[in-house]
Amino acid sequence: KQEVTQIPAALSVPEGENLVLNCSFTDSAIYNLQWFRQDPGKGLTSLLLIQSSQREQTSGRLNASLDKSSGRSTLYIAASQPGDSATYLCAAPDTGRRALTFGSGTRLQVQP
Amino acid sequence: DVKVTQSSRYLVKRTGEKVFLECVQDMDHENMFWYRQDPGLGLRLIYFSYDVKMKEKGDIPEGYSVSREKKERFSLILESASTNQTSMYLCASTSRQANYGYTFGSGTRLTVV
Repeated sequence: KQEVTQIPAALSVPEGENLVLNCSFTDSAIYNLQWFRQDPGKGLTSLLLIQSSQREQTSGRLNASLDKSSGRSTLYIAASQPGDSATYLCAAPDTGRRALTFGSGTRLQVQP
Repeated sequence: DVKVTQSSRYLVKRTGEKVFLECVQDMDHENMFWYRQDPGLGLRLIYFSYDVKMKEKGDIPEGYSVSREKKERFSLILESASTNQTSMYLCASTSRQANYGYTFGSGTRLTVV
């Protein structure tokens, strides 16, 4: 059964810092990995989808990497802004079924 | 852009009521999912469906059922609502054409009193 862990659980940084969010997963036989953002009381917004054949994906100030062999993914946020404040969730495919297992998230606060 | 629409943002229901949560997607995705999200427990899979009229139990199906009569619509049914079903409910869809990237709806915050 897939298990996804995210570290740290919470992070508070001053505006402008570069930061790294970590995600690890136990079953490396995945076909992709997805990062989401969630604002309080809202649904999930997809940030980046990395296929198993890729090592990284970039969108604007966001860069996500995937290392299947070690069971790790990182989300790099460059030049953080107060608008980046949200919870960031990592999700990997379940073992044996087409559904996602989620980490518990990293709650990010960027101070102006 | 793929859109997943959940019919209600907020719902308040009484204990024992039958509750229907509706989810519609507009990109012909074959796979649809219902999750619930609770503080400290994260997102947990309730039910999912790979195709019309197909359904599979997730990790916490007790007290719920689903219906998928049309490809674009996946309904979650609380047969007799209880206070422990107060939660945020999230619907999602995906397909092979989308490289199995998931799109989520905006969520329904259900309160059972």
